[in-house]
Amino acid sequence: GNSVTQMEGPVTLSEEAFLTINCTYTATGYPSLFWYVQYPGEGLQLLLKATKADDKGSNKGFEATYRKETTSFHLEKGSVQVSDSAVYFCALISYQGGKLIFGQGTELSVKP
Amino acid sequence: ETGVTQSPTHLIKTRGQQVTLRCSSQSGHNTVSWYQQALGQGPQFIFQYYREEENGRGNFPPRFSGLQFPNYSSELNVNALELDDSALYLCASSERGDTEAFFGQGTRLTVV
Repeated sequence: GNSVTQMEGPVTLSEEAFLTINCTYTATGYPSLFWYVQYPGEGLQLLLKATKADDKGSNKGFEATYRKETTSFHLEKGSVQVSDSAVYFCALISYQGGKLIFGQGTELSVKP
Repeated sequence: ETGVTQSPTHLIKTRGQQVTLRCSSQSGHNTVSWYQQALGQGPQFIFQYYREEENGRGNFPPRFSGLQFPNYSSELNVNALELDDSALYLCASSERGDTEAFFGQGTRLTVV
């Protein structure tokens, strides 16, 4: 079945450090891939998406590239800020539609 | 354009009771999905409604049921509450089942 695996957290970085959160997936066909962010006490916000191989999603300085050959969708940011502290979820939706399948989430803590 | 709104934001119920959670979808969206997010975990798909019909269900028992109304708002009902039902319940709406979903802020349910 379809699944998403994320690197375990928590991840603690200093402000302006480079961020990578690894995400790999297992799916039949060509799923769409997403990164969602959850701030404390809130729901999920869509951060970025990619719908086909080699697409790069980007938003607010975050980027992720859909790599079909390695079944990966790693999240990167060149310079993190304290305000980026949150839990990040990688997710997929199959080409058949229906449910989002989420990874277990990676907590990011950015220190000043 | 209003986003996805959920009510109530917090709720405390006693084991064995029944609960109804409500969700108003984003304008123009005809698909609503419900997710359960236990503490420290990724959201788990409960079910999806498309134009008032159930359009997929996750691995949840029948005591989890739902409705979608003609205006595309939705309810999640849980009967015979158990302690393990304590979680954040998230509603998400989308234009179609295979496009990105936009989430509400969630309802925090505590069963005691």
